[in-house]
Amino acid sequence: RKEVEQDPGPFNVPEGATVAFNCTYSNSASQSFFWYRQDCRKEPKLLMSVYSSGNEDGRFTAQLNRASQYISLLIRDSKLSDSATYLCVVSFSGGYQKVTFGTGTKLQVIP
Amino acid sequence: GAVVSQHPSRVICKSGTSVKIECRSLDFQATTMFWYRQFPKKSLMLMATSNEGSKATYEQGVEKDKFLINHASLTLSTLTVTSAHPEDSSFYICSARPDIYYGYTFGSGTRLTVV
Repeated sequence: RKEVEQDPGPFNVPEGATVAFNCTYSNSASQSFFWYRQDCRKEPKLLMSVYSSGNEDGRFTAQLNRASQYISLLIRDSKLSDSATYLCVVSFSGGYQKVTFGTGTKLQVIP
Repeated sequence: GAVVSQHPSRVICKSGTSVKIECRSLDFQATTMFWYRQFPKKSLMLMATSNEGSKATYEQGVEKDKFLINHASLTLSTLTVTSAHPEDSSFYICSARPDIYYGYTFGSGTRLTVV
């Protein structure tokens, strides 16, 4: 089983739609969770951290389920500019840092 | 916010030569930096973890003698691709984390083409 798994997509959605991505992780000792956005041929950029209580930033909502070992990202009212690859990142910091990326989920928002 | 500067952004080199890529944390100290490689339409793959003042930790399958990492100060890590081959052509990205309350900040990446 991969350490971090994501559905690669692509997810093709119309503008204004709501879309959700899930990401599962295998290391139950993982401590930090993030969603990154990567545009074509660019470096990843932090979209949001994910907390146990869930967190929201505008149209974006992230949630963590430690019991089931998955995190989710919900995008409401999709915009064309949301088209990108969304990367799930899981981090462990127990004496050493280990960061694992999911393979990414590609989102294409269609006019 | 935390900034990681990476240079060069693009390099073309001949087979057999070596290329050095620099990664600097501009406004924070980074005892640990990470080096990734990304092939076209593939995910980021961690190559190695660079530790200030000690040896880097390489991921399985990554040749330490080919990808030399030096983390001589708290703000600078370098990756040297030695005896480059066309199959080393890729997008190399470094990242660091200012502290446990922040996510990971990435350099802008280096696109290496070996001809």
